[in-house]
Parts: sequence; structure tokens; C-alpha cells
Amino acid sequence: DTGVSQNPRHKITKRGQNVTFRCDPISEHNRLYWYRQTLGQGPEFLTYFQNEAQLEKSRLLSDRFSAERPKGSFSTLEIQRTEQGDSAMYLCASSLAGADYEQYFGPGTRLTVT
Amino acid sequence: DQQVKQNSPSLSVQEGRISILNCDYTNSMFDYFLWYKKYPAEGPTFLISISSIKDKNEDGRFTVFLNKSAKHLSLHIVPSQPGDSAVYFCAASALDMRFGAGTRLTVKP
Repeated sequence: DTGVSQNPRHKITKRGQNVTFRCDPISEHNRLYWYRQTLGQGPEFLTYFQNEAQLEKSRLLSDRFSAERPKGSFSTLEIQRTEQGDSAMYLCASSLAGADYEQYFGPGTRLTVT
Repeated sequence: DQQVKQNSPSLSVQEGRISILNCDYTNSMFDYFLWYKKYPAEGPTFLISISSIKDKNEDGRFTVFLNKSAKHLSLHIVPSQPGDSAVYFCAASALDMRFGAGTRLTVKP
């Protein structure tokens, strides 16, 4: 299967700890997006990359959030000093540039901060 | 800011009947509109889209209608099937994608 994969699927951490999530996009897709989804809401855009360049990051929720895509393939999203309000589903999606309206989503990483 | 709104959190329809899911938006800069379908424990799956220059797009049992003057989007599913039971998200795109809160559709056999 060559869909978008995300690891881990679930993460439980204590407040104040750092967490890192990984996303592997569809191999031929050059755009990669990160979203957050909280209960009862739709996905909320955080940031996106075209190849290794991060083209939009102003929507990252705070300076505790950062994302990388060092070789233009997989990406990581890191949250430093986690807070209980960071508990959510973190979704990754990928697309082809020029067809970025049709994004393919991974299954998400569910973060629980205790 | 809720630029995309789905005011019905849930909808229940009998198998074989039409399902109509609605979506309203506020930003006139949106130029592309999409519907995604989500099953539990999976990410959203792209279903159908429409450009702002069109008012209708059809794909099999799914039709999306766009009324730009009313800033209103709807998804029609006909005939509805039990496998269509899922959460449906409306999304709109300008510089980035904005999603509604979703409508949970239940199709009863």
C-alpha cells in the first residue's frame, strides 16, 4: 500500500515532555501538510512543505510547534513542552503541486497529554 | 474564525433515499471546494470537489452544488447506502484549506 502513513498512531505523554511525530507521504507527492483535529471539529491547517521547503508556517499554533522535511520525503512534527491543550489528532496529508486541492490524508497520530 | 460552517452535526437517512449535506462559507476568496469522508480510525478521504467557476459537479451517486451568491455548498448522495455512513467534512481552499466541523451521516437499512 502506498498511502500516507503516520507513526506512532497513538502517543501518551506527560505535560512538559517533548514529542515527535513522523509522516511518510505518497512517494510521488511533493507537497506535505500537517493538520490538527480536536474533538467535534474539522482538521485545522498548521503548515505545509513543497519538497523540503516549508512554504507556510504562520499557522503553527505556537513556537513550541515545529516541523521539518529535511530531504523532501518524510516529515516530522515536534511539540516541545507539551500542554494538556495539545491533546488532539495530528493529521498529515500529501498532494502533487498543482493538484493540491486533492490531498490524501494519513490515519493520524492521536496525542494525549496527561 | 469559522470561515466554513456545517450547521448540522448529524443526519439520518433511510437507505435508498437522498442524503443532502450542507455547508456555508464566509470568505469570497475561496476558489475551490471539496468534500471529504471520514470513517473511524482513518484519515479523511477525498470524495468530490468543485471549482468556483462551476455550479455543479457530479460523480456517480455524489453531486456537489455550489451557490456562490449565497456562499453555500451542498453534497447530494443518491441513492444513499449503509456504507455511506461516515462523517463528511466540507472544505474550502484559498491560500490554505479550511474545514467545517463535519456532519455525521447515518444511513439506515
